[in-house]
Amino acid sequence: GESVGLHLPTLSVQEGDNSIINCAYSNSASDYFIWYKQESGKGPQFIIDIRSNMDKRQGQRVTVLLNKTVKHLSLQIAATQPGDSAVYFCAERGSNYKLTFGKGTLLTVNP
Amino acid sequence: DAGVTQSPTHLIKTRGQHVTLRCSPISGHKSVSWYQQVLGQGPQFIFQYYEKEERGRGNFPDRFSARQFPNYSSELNVNALLLGDSALYLCASSADGPYGYTFGSGTRLTVV
Repeated sequence: GESVGLHLPTLSVQEGDNSIINCAYSNSASDYFIWYKQESGKGPQFIIDIRSNMDKRQGQRVTVLLNKTVKHLSLQIAATQPGDSAVYFCAERGSNYKLTFGKGTLLTVNP
Repeated sequence: DAGVTQSPTHLIKTRGQHVTLRCSPISGHKSVSWYQQVLGQGPQFIFQYYEKEERGRGNFPDRFSARQFPNYSSELNVNALLLGDSALYLCASSADGPYGYTFGSGTRLTVV
């Protein structure tokens, strides 16, 4: 079946460090992946996406890497700031255009 | 431009009651999806509508139903509410169906 999971439920980093959040997915047919940031009491906020025909995509301070061989996705945040503290979800698009989310990783940035 | 708007923001209902949640997509977006997010978990897919037609349904009971209107706004209806229906209900819209989902802030439903 389709499932998306995260290796680390919590991640604590120092301000200015780089953060790496990992995600494993099981559906090899998934063709589109998204990282979302969710702050307390708010809806998920789009960070960056990647299609399955790519293995890397960069945005402002963020990079997503996709390794289809091992079905692994990662989000790299450069120079992490206190405002980056939130829960991060990876999501994959499978059948019926639905997004399947993982459980999330809580990122805490210490000043 | 306004993002995805959902109403109401918070709602308290009693078991057995019915609830209607509303969503207005980003202007120009024709696809609306509904998700349920229980505290501490990732969102779970409920429905997707595109051009007023249901295009996908998740593993939710028939108590959950939805529809999309000609202006692409959408309603999610839940009948015979259970305590376990307490959750954040999220609406997402996208322009061309499968890509670029943008979420609203959600409706916090509490069933007592």
